[in-house]
Amino acid sequence: QVQLVESGGGLVKPGGSLRLSCAASGFTFSDYYMTWIRQAPGKGLEWVSYINSGSTIYYTDSVKGRFTISRDNAKNSLYLQMDSLRAEDTAVYYCGRGIPSGAPEYWGQGTLVTVSS
Amino acid sequence: DIVMTQSPDSLAVSLGETATINCKSSQSVLYTSNNKNYLAWFQQKPGQPPKLLIYWASTRESGVPDRFSGSGSGTDFTLTISSLQAGDVAVYYCQQYYSIPWTFGQGTKVEIK
Repeated sequence: QVQLVESGGGLVKPGGSLRLSCAASGFTFSDYYMTWIRQAPGKGLEWVSYINSGSTIYYTDSVKGRFTISRDNAKNSLYLQMDSLRAEDTAVYYCGRGIPSGAPEYWGQGTLVTVSS
Repeated sequence: DIVMTQSPDSLAVSLGETATINCKSSQSVLYTSNNKNYLAWFQQKPGQPPKLLIYWASTRESGVPDRFSGSGSGTDFTLTISSLQAGDVAVYYCQQYYSIPWTFGQGTKVEIK
């Protein structure tokens, strides 16, 4: 069955870095676009970044220049390198997948990132 | 950016009754070349990730009960939950995937009256 398992979250000081990973299984990873969304504590959902199988990449404005999305199809893995972290980046980060041009259809359980001094 | 606005922010419905959630986009999410509305509905229960219920505004995801239905086109959309069950208590979000940045509504909390 489809599984998406995020890891790499934790507590980091403002200005610090973290690298999130998302391990995928149960489907042909290269056939799907992958995406990250986040949810600040007690808040709604916010889309963060997208990468398709051809490595077309998009970011929400608030993370441009600080976050880098990448994928390794050979390892069935998605990554999010997060630099220059700010308090407002504190959230649960979910990875998701979808078919080209389709809605994001499946999400992992999420990993918590806390940015605090 | 396309702004998604849901109404109401919360609602309490009796078991077995119907819950109706509205979602309005600041611009059309209808792609005229294929006549598809790039609008999805998600359900999120506490401590869980979002679960896709509806895509293309009205297509139910596999395994989703037919008590959940989506309707609307262009800028105005509705999620209807008929015969509300206790397990439907959750926050519901609409999302447009028509253009980057993808955007979500603020969420509607559904509770039992």
